[in-house]
Amino acid sequence: SSELTQDPAVSVALGQTVTITCQGDSLRSYYASWYQQKPGQAPILVIYAKDNRPSGIPDRFSGSCSGNTASLTITGAQAEDEADYYCNSRDTSGNHWVFGGGTKLTVL
Amino acid sequence: EVQLLESGGDLVQPGGSLRLSCAASGFTFSTYAMTWVRQAPGKGLEWVSTISFSGGDTYHADSVRGRFTISRDNSRNTVYLEMHSLRAEDTAVYYCAKGNYHGSGDYFDYWGQGTLVTVSS
Repeated sequence: SSELTQDPAVSVALGQTVTITCQGDSLRSYYASWYQQKPGQAPILVIYAKDNRPSGIPDRFSGSCSGNTASLTITGAQAEDEADYYCNSRDTSGNHWVFGGGTKLTVL
Repeated sequence: EVQLLESGGDLVQPGGSLRLSCAASGFTFSTYAMTWVRQAPGKGLEWVSTISFSGGDTYHADSVRGRFTISRDNSRNTVYLEMHSLRAEDTAVYYCAKGNYHGSGDYFDYWGQGTLVTVSS
């Protein structure tokens, strides 16, 4: 399979916790990475290899994976976290990469 | 500081050709895979092509295979995307991204600001 499935939109109250999920068969073999994109800007990496944060990414961002589902959790969401979030992984062939359709996060 | 600077985006007619470049600095270019990702207006991210650190292995999405070719010049710290037989659906911002690897997962740790390709008559 070459698909990663994400919910199109999720909302969270300021300061609360939200989880964004990504489903796909390839996640049983390959770790997911997660990217944040704000309007008019390039994506930035927020989680790699399932649960690792690059330097400079706040520790309220965390990742996990179980079976065919990868998750990005924001604990104590801030207004600046409002953005589109994309998961990525190799596909089941291992010779292609695929992005999820993206989740638009709204912080209320 | 890692920097990726794309160039070459333009308005081109359907059926036309274009070459994108991505100049890299701030890291040992010849030891990392490089990737092109595109984003059509108002749409999500789409992986396009990846090239290994040596250039010996290349991978292309089905949507561009046979029309696009990724290449690199490690002496110039530059990766290219040669695009032919362009279609309206190739209209997008094209991002260059640096690859990295950890355990059973690879990822794109730095991205350029993108270059716009518009295919229209």
